[in-house]
Amino acid sequence: QMQLQESGPGLVKPSETLTLTCTVSGGFISSSTYYWGWIRQPPGKGLEWIADIYYSGTTYYNPSLKSRVTISVDTSKNQFSLKLRSVTAADTAIYYCARNKRQQPYHMDVWGKGTTVTVSS
Amino acid sequence: EIVMTQSPATLSVSPGERATLSCRASQSVSSNLAWYQQKPGQAPRLLIYGASTRATGIPARFSGSGSGTEFTLTISSLQSEDFAVYYCQQYHNWPPWTFGQGTKVEIK
Repeated sequence: QMQLQESGPGLVKPSETLTLTCTVSGGFISSSTYYWGWIRQPPGKGLEWIADIYYSGTTYYNPSLKSRVTISVDTSKNQFSLKLRSVTAADTAIYYCARNKRQQPYHMDVWGKGTTVTVSS
Repeated sequence: EIVMTQSPATLSVSPGERATLSCRASQSVSSNLAWYQQKPGQAPRLLIYGASTRATGIPARFSGSGSGTEFTLTISSLQSEDFAVYYCQQYHNWPPWTFGQGTKVEIK
């Protein structure tokens, strides 16, 4: 059974770069069927999609975050990563990675448990 | 960007009763809509995709309907484990994928 696990620092200082990694187990990230993505949830709020990546390296970004975000994939490690630059308190959130079906009907059917990131000095 | 609006924000329901949750899109998303359930401290869980197809392992008491701009998630007889927050998400136009703000189903 496929599992996704987020990892990264729980605390990041304002203006710094947040880097998170999602490790995929129980399957291969180099599947033609799926995108791999990041979603975040500020405390007490709803879900915001950040970015998706295909194993070939094709990327898709939320326009609201595109200028600060980079998503990348390492197929040899079965991992994908998120970098968010110039963070502020507004980036404090639980960050989830998820598997996203690439063809219709699209859906995110496997999620990591999430990792909490706090932006504070 | 397609805006998804869910109503009501909070739904108070007694166990065993029926719950009806609504999701409206700012423009047509055809049937490209999914529903997720999120319990406190947990990641979202896929319930419904393609507006009406139950995900693997989802009980039959959960059903989805609608197309275009109006969608409904119905829980036919609420069980204790169903009290949670429910989100809709559109997959029609992207980027970005967009979610509704959520409906909290609480015990009446």
